[in-house]
Amino acid sequence: NAGVTQTPKFQVLKTGQSMTLQCAQDMNHEYMSWYRQDPGMGLRLIHYSVGAGITDQGEVPNGYNVSRSTTEDFPLRLLSAAPSQTSVYFCASSYGGGFASGANVLTFGAGSRLTVL
Amino acid sequence: GDSVTQMEGPVTLSEEAFLTINCTYTATGYPSLFWYVQYPGEGLQLLLKATKADDKGSNKGFEATYRKETTSFHLEKGSVQVSDSAVYFCALSFKTIFGAGTRLFVKA
Repeated sequence: NAGVTQTPKFQVLKTGQSMTLQCAQDMNHEYMSWYRQDPGMGLRLIHYSVGAGITDQGEVPNGYNVSRSTTEDFPLRLLSAAPSQTSVYFCASSYGGGFASGANVLTFGAGSRLTVL
Repeated sequence: GDSVTQMEGPVTLSEEAFLTINCTYTATGYPSLFWYVQYPGEGLQLLLKATKADDKGSNKGFEATYRKETTSFHLEKGSVQVSDSAVYFCALSFKTIFGAGTRLFVKA
């Protein structure tokens, strides 16, 4: 009964380093997404996926890459970290294609706090 | 594009006070509307939702009514408790868009 699992919970990077935030869900959800949470700005959508092999950009995609090779996993890659990417990152998933039914409720992971020096 | 605007916080109330957190939205089509709550150190979790106009979502004493004519989905609770202290987010689908969040402090 794990739900959405994110790793790591905390990470400190130096400018220019790369890393991958992992996200896995065991609910057979088709829709998965990544958000970043910054003070006063709520949650902003980075990338999302409506199924394996399908990804698309959200509101703030620059500097991030995603892939969806399986239904369960949706990793978020930072190619060259910048201080502006210091944030708390949340992965979320929902049943269905995301757009197919507007009533889909998101299940969130516990978050990953990233600091870029 | 779609957007959500909610009242700025923090909101500080005494226990048993009445709570209202305002939320208005802009969207094409007929989105579903949600309130999520985030307790300290945790991810967001669904508090309540409404899928069509005039629907009322309710949970744990919280209520919100989907008002299409005023494009609003205000969150209310008649008597808040210390345990309600959290950050509350209004959101709309289809590609879930969140408001900025409102932090609530409830004093004993």
